Amino acid sequence: SQKIEQNSEALNIQEGKTATLTCNYTNYSPAYLQWYRQDPGRGPVFLLLIRENEKEKRKERLKVTFDTTLKQSLFHITASQPADSATYLCALPGYSSASKIIFGSGTRLSIRP
Amino acid sequence: DTGVSQDPRHKITKRGQNVTFRCDPISEHNRLYWYRQTLGQGPEFLTYFQNEAQLEKSRLLSDRFSAERPKGSFSTLEIQRTEQGDSAMYLCASSLVVPLSLTTGELFFGEGSRLTVL
Repeated sequence: SQKIEQNSEALNIQEGKTATLTCNYTNYSPAYLQWYRQDPGRGPVFLLLIRENEKEKRKERLKVTFDTTLKQSLFHITASQPADSATYLCALPGYSSASKIIFGSGTRLSIRP
Repeated sequence: DTGVSQDPRHKITKRGQNVTFRCDPISEHNRLYWYRQTLGQGPEFLTYFQNEAQLEKSRLLSDRFSAERPKGSFSTLEIQRTEQGDSAMYLCASSLVVPLSLTTGELFFGEGSRLTVL
């Protein structure tokens, strides 16, 4: 069955450093992968989409890579700030139905001043 | 448009009672999703609609859960005979279905309805 894995432990990073989060998936090849940010008590907010034929996508201080051979996406935040502290979720279209969007468990990121 | 709206934001109920949540999507969006999220977990897919048609429902969802989207506008999620295990945040999201080459496929989420079953 389809499986999405993200770092289960929280990630603590010093302000100004680069935070790197990992999303691994198994058992199929999605056409794209999305990343969302979720603050406590709020709904997720879309950040970036990367397609299977794209190796890398950038948006301001964010960078996402997509390695379809390793079945892995890396999400980088450069020059991290305390305001970047949140939970970050990766999401994929479903194996059985591409319209069904499946989320990973998320990685909680804390940026300390 | 103010985005996706969910009501109520919080609901406390006793075990065995029925509860209903409402979601108003972004007006031009034709697809609507329901997810459930518990603490420390990602959103778990429950069901989705395209216009008024319910196209998929999670096999994990018991028969106590039912969702509707009459006229392809707002949607309701009803939980009958609630159990303590139903305590969670219920999230609604909407999107506009267009070719992926033209869009990011972004889901727009509401703020959620938090259910506590005593």
